[in-house]
Amino acid sequence: QKEVEQDPGPLSVPEGAIVSLNCTYSNSAFQYFMWYRQYSRKGPELLMYTYSSGNKEDGRFTAQVDKSSKYISLFIRDSQPSDSATYLCAMDTGRRALTFGSGTRLQVQP
Amino acid sequence: EADIYQTPRYLVIGTGKKITLECSQTMGHDKMYWYQQDPGMELHLIHYSYGVNSTEKGDLSSESTVSRIRTEHFPLTLESARPSHTSQYLCASSGGDRGFDTQYFGPGTRLTVL
Repeated sequence: QKEVEQDPGPLSVPEGAIVSLNCTYSNSAFQYFMWYRQYSRKGPELLMYTYSSGNKEDGRFTAQVDKSSKYISLFIRDSQPSDSATYLCAMDTGRRALTFGSGTRLQVQP
Repeated sequence: EADIYQTPRYLVIGTGKKITLECSQTMGHDKMYWYQQDPGMELHLIHYSYGVNSTEKGDLSSESTVSRIRTEHFPLTLESARPSHTSQYLCASSGGDRGFDTQYFGPGTRLTVL
């Protein structure tokens, strides 16, 4: 079993929809949680990061961590076609070694 | 804005050739990584380095080798390329004082071995 599980999708939504992307994990030592966005044929870029449980908002994006359930989410409000990409979650125990999810491919239809 | 560069961006070569994929970063990061990623598939860590003269193999077995003679430079070499090496290779680096590992990725090298 992988330490970090992520549904590969693809997830297809209409423009303007609220998108929910999720990861589950098994290692309770993870403390730092990140979301990367990867456009086709590009390297991943850091989108958001959070520490421990709680929410963090940045514009249309909200990252949520529930450590009791070992579950993290990324919400995208008012989704745009430019949000179409693969979203990877990543986690760190604090020992500075990332574990990536496999990525969820999102398609926002105009 | 992360400053990490990879060359070449695209490479098409014949079987048996020796190739070196270049990766450089100007952020002074100690840690650098090489990942292999097939289209639409997950990232696989193949090599990493925690500093000069330090290199380790990653989770995915790879026939490639790496070196870290300078902090900013982390080249990957394939002594004899085969069609099974066809993939995208992504270089990343991390550092700073955030307390956790934020990796910055280069644009990738798309390798095709005929």
